[in-house]
Amino acid sequence: EAGVTQSPTHLIKTRGQQATLRCSPISGHTSVYWYQQALGLGLQFLLWYDEGEERNRGNFPPRFSGRQFPNYSSELNVNALELEDSALYLCASGAGGTYNEQFFGPGTRLTVL
Amino acid sequence: AQSVTQLGSHVSVSEGALVLLRCNYSSSVPPYLFWYVQYPNQGLQLLLKYTTGATLVKGINGFEAEFKKSETSFHLTKPSAHMSDAAEYFCAVSDLRDDKIIFGKGTRLHILP
Repeated sequence: EAGVTQSPTHLIKTRGQQATLRCSPISGHTSVYWYQQALGLGLQFLLWYDEGEERNRGNFPPRFSGRQFPNYSSELNVNALELEDSALYLCASGAGGTYNEQFFGPGTRLTVL
Repeated sequence: AQSVTQLGSHVSVSEGALVLLRCNYSSSVPPYLFWYVQYPNQGLQLLLKYTTGATLVKGINGFEAEFKKSETSFHLTKPSAHMSDAAEYFCAVSDLRDDKIIFGKGTRLHILP
């Protein structure tokens, strides 16, 4: 069974640009979660999508947004990039509900210059 | 709102020694508690979780954790460390009131030969 996949593996952008990160969940999972892992800060919850709808979002500005497609894959968009957006962005999928295990992808390393 | 504190950003133990990684949580309702492990250049993998029932939870790779409500703790232990245990470990908490999982900042475990 294929795991969670993310693309691209690495992304280099300059300040002010936009970044788009993609995630494909495990087959059968309807929920996709996005996290930011910045150095020394652990994992910060960004967004949760389930059945195509945004269910919850973390304490991030509106320039962090995303969507979930009918096939349950998801996209994270970061507009007006700032230097502090440089981080590893992890996507996880699950069956929904925060008591269920989340399965993580390998992440996209975003570097903002 | 719930929160998680992991004591010690770095822990070193000798191969064969006891591993103890500390996690304290804050939640005013019964929590769901998780331990995840992240190996270098990989996403997170679930080690074990507590939802209800038995307070001593056994996970993969010989790890276990005990939920102690009176101490609001969920410490992770392994009787005998192996070199392959070197990784970063994250404690996480969620509850039914809030549709998200809160992760601690992580503890990097170093195994000394």
